[in-house]
Amino acid sequence: EVQLVESGGGLVQPGGSLRLSCAASGFTFTDRYIDWVRQSPGKGLEWVGRIRNKPNTYTTESAASVQDRFTISRDDSQNSVYLHMNSLKAEDTAVYFCARSTNYWDDVVDYWGQGTLVTVSS
Amino acid sequence: DIQMTQSPSAMSASVGDKVTITCRASQGISNYLTWFQQKPGKVPKRLIYASSNLQSGVPSRFSGSGSGTEFTLTISSLQPEDFATYYCLQHSSYPFTFGPGTKVDI
Repeated sequence: EVQLVESGGGLVQPGGSLRLSCAASGFTFTDRYIDWVRQSPGKGLEWVGRIRNKPNTYTTESAASVQDRFTISRDDSQNSVYLHMNSLKAEDTAVYFCARSTNYWDDVVDYWGQGTLVTVSS
Repeated sequence: DIQMTQSPSAMSASVGDKVTITCRASQGISNYLTWFQQKPGKVPKRLIYASSNLQSGVPSRFSGSGSGTEFTLTISSLQPEDFATYYCLQHSSYPFTFGPGTKVDI
């Protein structure tokens, strides 16, 4: 069974940092790209970024709203992906989901984790 | 960035109705369009990928079509469990962008 489990969310002050984790199981992790998507309370979905796999040199993409503040990394030995968030703002308050994708342009985001809530507030 | 719009933003429907939701892209995206369903408090679920391919396990009353800039999600006969919010996602170019969602309720 495909599973993605996010952790690391919580309350953080504006300007602070947080690292979210996404632990994967039930599939060949090294074959897959991983995306992060967030959803602010009562709002729609926003794509945050992506990390490719080793054959694609672990390169990343990110949304303009988080570029230069958020970075994505992965540890294939742990079947895990991390979202490193710095200089957090109130508008970063959201549930953060990790999701599995393939390396094909037409087949993305097929399974989602349950999400972890990040609240940025003083 | 590619902007995605959806219409309608909300709609009321009844069980058995045929429902059509439209998603438009600000520029051509070929068939790189995916549809998701999200129920309150739940994780989004992929329904359709590559514009018209039905995700395994999704009922056949759901279908998708379109290419370029205009896409549709159709529910042929609305069931009680289909009341939810539907989102489209373009993945033709970075950054990927979601539509604002269409809420389908009674």
